[in-house]
Parts: sequence; C-alpha cells; structure tokens
Amino acid sequence: EVVLTQSPGTLSLSPGERATLSCRASQSVTSSSLAWYQQKPGQAPRLLIYGASSRATGIPDRFSGSGSGTDFTLTISRLEPEDFAVYYCQQYGNSPRPFGQGTKVEIK
Amino acid sequence: QVQLVQSGTEVKEPGASVKISCKTSGYTFTSYFLDWVRQAPGQGPEWMGIINPRSASTVYAQKFQGRVTMTRDTSTSTVYMYLTSLRSEDTAVYFCVRDPGNGYGDYWGQGTLVTVSS
Repeated sequence: EVVLTQSPGTLSLSPGERATLSCRASQSVTSSSLAWYQQKPGQAPRLLIYGASSRATGIPDRFSGSGSGTDFTLTISRLEPEDFAVYYCQQYGNSPRPFGQGTKVEIK
Repeated sequence: QVQLVQSGTEVKEPGASVKISCKTSGYTFTSYFLDWVRQAPGQGPEWMGIINPRSASTVYAQKFQGRVTMTRDTSTSTVYMYLTSLRSEDTAVYFCVRDPGNGYGDYWGQGTLVTVSS
C-alpha cells in the first residue's frame, strides 16, 4: 500500500510569496495518478490538480502541479489571501487511494 | 449545476450502525462513480470505497471490508453508505465524492458528521 508523506507540515508565508509543497510516495505512483486538494475549515476538500499537473475546472493558473514517480510538488506562484488553507495530495492509481497528512499554509 | 447533498448529523452508540445518503443532481447519475471518504477530527481524509452507479459494483478499502456497504438507487440518483459495528474511532465527517472514473474526486458533498459515543 502506498504511503504519502507531505512536507512541510506547516508553511508560514506572506501574501504575494511563492509556496512550494511536497508530496512523496513510498512507491512509484501509477501513471502520475496524483491529485491535490485544498481544504478550508468547515468545508469539503476542493480539487485543484489531477494527473499530477492538470488543473481542475476553474482553478487559477497560479496553482501548478509537477512531478512523477515518487516525488510530486504543488506550487502556488503568488499567494492570495484566499489561498491560506490546508492542502492534501492523494494517490488514486491503485486501491486503496490514500491521502497525505496535509500541509497547512498559514499567514506569516 | 452539479450537487451532492448528504443527509444530516448522526449520533450513535458504540456497536450501532449508520446509513448516510447522498442525493446527486445536475449530471447523469450513471456516468460517474461515487466514492466515500471520511475525515476524523484534525486528520487527513481517508478513502473508504467506491460504487459504480451503473452496475452497482463496489470496491471497498480493506480496512472497512465486512463493515461497509455502498448501494445506489437509480430512480432517485442517490447513493448510500452503511457502516456497522461503530466504534469511537469512526467518529468523523463522511463525504460522498463524484469520481469521473479516473479515481480523483471532482465534486464533494457537504459532509455528514457521525459521532460515536456512549
């Protein structure tokens, strides 16, 4: 079973700065089947990226995903106030479909 | 617009069972899979399983095998998740999630809080 490890646990940044979030898999992820979600308190997760690098419908282009194999990255080029949230990666190439433990992006 | 509307908060005693509904609208019900994902307080999401509304076939995470059943009603475009033998560790928010068939979730229900406590 694939285990996803996200780092860092918390990222303290200011609006306008660049955020780089990491997701490392314990074994190679099939066909780049890796998604990223954003979650705000009291809300359901929202799909940002699928297929490691494809933006979901309506997601601003300041969000980008990259990586393959076991190492994946979510980059937010310039943080907007609404981007401060928790971000999760998920592997969906095989069952089960684990999520990482999350990275919190907080205002510095 | 796509909507997934779940049933309301549940409070159950240990050993009981819970059934959560997820009524969908705004798309062709049988064209998308539905996943169930739960999230315990302060934790990351946890994938529980998936149902194909067209065939009613299911795949469950091994952790929940024997305790979970997912069904669907095509006449009302609704899916159900039934979890038995509840314990305190099952306290979580449960989400239904539309899955385009690739395995990720593009639309999520609002969540149903299930609290297991004596």
